[in-house]
Amino acid sequence: GAGVSQSPRYKVAKRGQDVALRCDPISGHVSLFWYQQALGQGPEFLTYFQNEAQLDKSGLPSDRFFAERPEGSVSTLKIQRTQQEDSAVYLCASSFAAGYEQYFGPGTRLTVT
Amino acid sequence: AQTVTQSQPEMSVQEAETVTLSCTYDTSESDYYLFWYKQPPSRQMILVIRQEAYKQQNATENRFSVNFQKAAKSFSLKISDSQLGDAAMYFCAYRRPSTGTASKLTFGTGTRLQVTL
Repeated sequence: GAGVSQSPRYKVAKRGQDVALRCDPISGHVSLFWYQQALGQGPEFLTYFQNEAQLDKSGLPSDRFFAERPEGSVSTLKIQRTQQEDSAVYLCASSFAAGYEQYFGPGTRLTVT
Repeated sequence: AQTVTQSQPEMSVQEAETVTLSCTYDTSESDYYLFWYKQPPSRQMILVIRQEAYKQQNATENRFSVNFQKAAKSFSLKISDSQLGDAAMYFCAYRRPSTGTASKLTFGTGTRLQVTL
């Protein structure tokens, strides 16, 4: 596929469970972003990777959130001990390099019950 | 910190008519980029149009155009000859010039556009 893909598309977790959300960026894209979009809100920045290096994690809301991109391609956003306030759509975006157009994936809708 | 404000939660337009979505932003930077993104229901966010702050000329992409007022920090989107497929959430977004590190987008809260027959 030519676009950004994310899996799973939907995830229901019980409060306290750990979840892992996957992002497959466009092949060759150096930059990768994670955003969190709460219901009725605009996306909010979580973290940014340039290749495998996490250069900005200032938007991660707590130390329960962890992201990695070990080989500079696929990225995983992990949320430990999920809370109800973590319910949101998590969007991944990639770009050829910093400053180029960001292409978004379809998102993962996380519901914490 | 930069902020982006969209004061119209919902807008409605008749097919073939023109509609304008408003956006204001706050920044102390002199150079930056502004964007309008479209997010159809259950579909991916796509870029509609972008504007570089250093360019005085307003950007245009087919039926989509912007009115960029740098001094007023205003960036509105005009959709001409509206089509049913234009129905979506529209987000205004801001980005600083890339310095090689983060080029994250700051989004507004969105405007839901309905297109009626």
